[in-house]
Amino acid sequence: GESVGLHLPTLSVQEGDNSIINCAYSNSASDYFIWYKQESGKGPQFIIDIRSNMDKRQGQRVTVLLNKTVKHLSLQIAATQPGDSAVYFCAETGSNTGKLIFGQGTTLQVKP
Amino acid sequence: GAVVSQHPSWVICKSGTSVKIECRSLDFQATTMFWYRQFPKQSLMLMATSNEGSKATYEQGVEKDKFLINHASLTLSTLTVTSAHPEDSSFYICSARPMVGVDTLKDTQYFGPGTRLTVL
Repeated sequence: GESVGLHLPTLSVQEGDNSIINCAYSNSASDYFIWYKQESGKGPQFIIDIRSNMDKRQGQRVTVLLNKTVKHLSLQIAATQPGDSAVYFCAETGSNTGKLIFGQGTTLQVKP
Repeated sequence: GAVVSQHPSWVICKSGTSVKIECRSLDFQATTMFWYRQFPKQSLMLMATSNEGSKATYEQGVEKDKFLINHASLTLSTLTVTSAHPEDSSFYICSARPMVGVDTLKDTQYFGPGTRLTVL
């Protein structure tokens, strides 16, 4: 079946460095993508989203890039902080379905 | 804005009993809510889509008679795990999709904090 996947299960970065978390998706019909952050024992927290008619969207310290040609999504976190340590999930959905398909998740570890 | 709550946050029950979990959108209305379960170190798995005023749509492999979903209003959906067994122990998470975009694209789902269910 179709799925959203992540390249790296764990990413370890130094505090203050930039982090890049990658995601590959296989459903070419997906037109909406979201990044979520999940801390231990909590629900996913919305970070940023992007539609398929865009290739870049910026938020506060975060940027999402979408490359539809190679079906690749990335989340960039600038000046990574200890509070950014969590599991990050990408999710995709197709038009009108509303159903989110989640990737496997990447654990981000920030070293002080 | 866009806050979703769940109650209870954790519950321990005996095998064979039923447990009800509530999901509420606190500051927006949601015609659609979703229920997920998550096992340790795994991703979220969609169980069902809950639509206000109509029957829920269950994902393949999810028993609708075991996981009863009621979406009685635009701000409340409930999930009842009937005759719970130890294998039902999991982290149950709901999400809600606003009727109108809050501060981002309108298809965004906002998640509750989750409910940890432990069946003894």
